[in-house]
Amino acid sequence: DAKTTQPPSMDCAEGRAANLPCNHSTISGNEYVYWYRQIHSQGPQYIIHGLKNNETNEMASLIITEDRKSSTLILPHATLRDTAVYYCIVRVSHTGYSTLTFGKGTMLLVSP
Amino acid sequence: EAQVTQNPRYLITVTGKKLTVTCSQNMNHEYMSWYRQDPGLGLRQIYYSMNVEVTDKGDVPEGYKVSRKEKRNFPLILESPSPNQTSLYFCASAGPMLDTQYFGPGTRLTVL
Repeated sequence: DAKTTQPPSMDCAEGRAANLPCNHSTISGNEYVYWYRQIHSQGPQYIIHGLKNNETNEMASLIITEDRKSSTLILPHATLRDTAVYYCIVRVSHTGYSTLTFGKGTMLLVSP
Repeated sequence: EAQVTQNPRYLITVTGKKLTVTCSQNMNHEYMSWYRQDPGLGLRQIYYSMNVEVTDKGDVPEGYKVSRKEKRNFPLILESPSPNQTSLYFCASAGPMLDTQYFGPGTRLTVL
């Protein structure tokens, strides 16, 4: 699976959009971009995933660049409860061996 | 409510005393997995199971055993716990497409 690079930490004001970047320059054509988050010591929570088109669900939007070498997770109106570590993971979907390789992620702090 | 449950949530034990951490999911998922999380090392996979009676080693299986006799349950067994197994443990499950994994709330284990 391709390696990802994320900033170690980011700050965001409550109510503003949080834009979390991820670089995955070695991504291959059949690899998807997944985002999970982990609120302090709780189990990781799936947010969204995509292959090459932008995706949106009730939690967030995922913007993938045309060359697929980077992506941005957007939380449109961040709340205090969005404070968490956000993990960007690149892996082949539908694989029989399904390890999620979590890196260090980005610690997002949402402040009042 | 769809969920993954783990028990116990907290456990303090002594070296060499066999213990079992239970994991159960109510989503009829075929895939289940165990991870451990340690500061600075992130989440690492211990064992996973693609179906009943089918288990395989993850990245850090030494010192652990698992069994999968029923689809809903995937217990983690430490036959002779040691202090280096002090960690936060997560169980996870996924449906047939393996696209998203659902994590349990975690079990914090301390081995003295």
